[in-house]
Amino acid sequence: SQTIHQWPATLVQPVGSPLSLECTVEGTSNPNLYWYRQAAGRGLQLLFYSVGIGQISSEVPQNLSASRPQDRQFILSSKKLLLSDSGFYLCAWGDEAGYSTDTQYFGPGTRLTVL
Amino acid sequence: ILNVEQSPQSLHVQEGDSTNFTCSFPSSNFYALHWYRWETAKSPEALFVMTLNGDEKKKGRISATLNTKEGYSYLYIKGSQPEDSATYLCAVTDSNYQLIWGAGTKLIIKP
Repeated sequence: SQTIHQWPATLVQPVGSPLSLECTVEGTSNPNLYWYRQAAGRGLQLLFYSVGIGQISSEVPQNLSASRPQDRQFILSSKKLLLSDSGFYLCAWGDEAGYSTDTQYFGPGTRLTVL
Repeated sequence: ILNVEQSPQSLHVQEGDSTNFTCSFPSSNFYALHWYRWETAKSPEALFVMTLNGDEKKKGRISATLNTKEGYSYLYIKGSQPEDSATYLCAVTDSNYQLIWGAGTKLIIKP
């Protein structure tokens, strides 16, 4: 069966510090991978998605970046965090890119607080 | 930009009562609608995906209907139980096959 891992679970970082959140998927190959952020009282916002190694699509211009160095690894990074980067970050995978019915499976999330 | 609205934002329901809540979306260029359940300290979990007008899906005590012509979906829970407490998320597939999410309805079941 497939599993998805995210770490760390919680993170408190000062403004201006770097960020690295990691997501890995097991039990599937060539998954589509997604990074979402949920700000307080709002819906999930798609930040990045990837359909393969080294292929990253950005949905929202911001000071975050993503990389996919391996097939089942997705990393969210920032060189300098802003206060507005605080939120709950979710990684997800799906296996039917290009289909409207593609179900996405989520990791446990990372709570990021930028002070 | 596709906008997905969910109402109410939160809902308190007595155990044993039935309830329902709404997801609204633009009726033009519809592809698919997804319902997810997000329990506290867990990951969002898919409940239903629906594509056809008039479609109805059911899983145990939970069911959902879809009206693509008027742009809404209802989620029903019959005989609410404490384990139904969660945030229920609705998402609609856009023209790029990405999910556009509503803010969710937080359901609290009172024993």
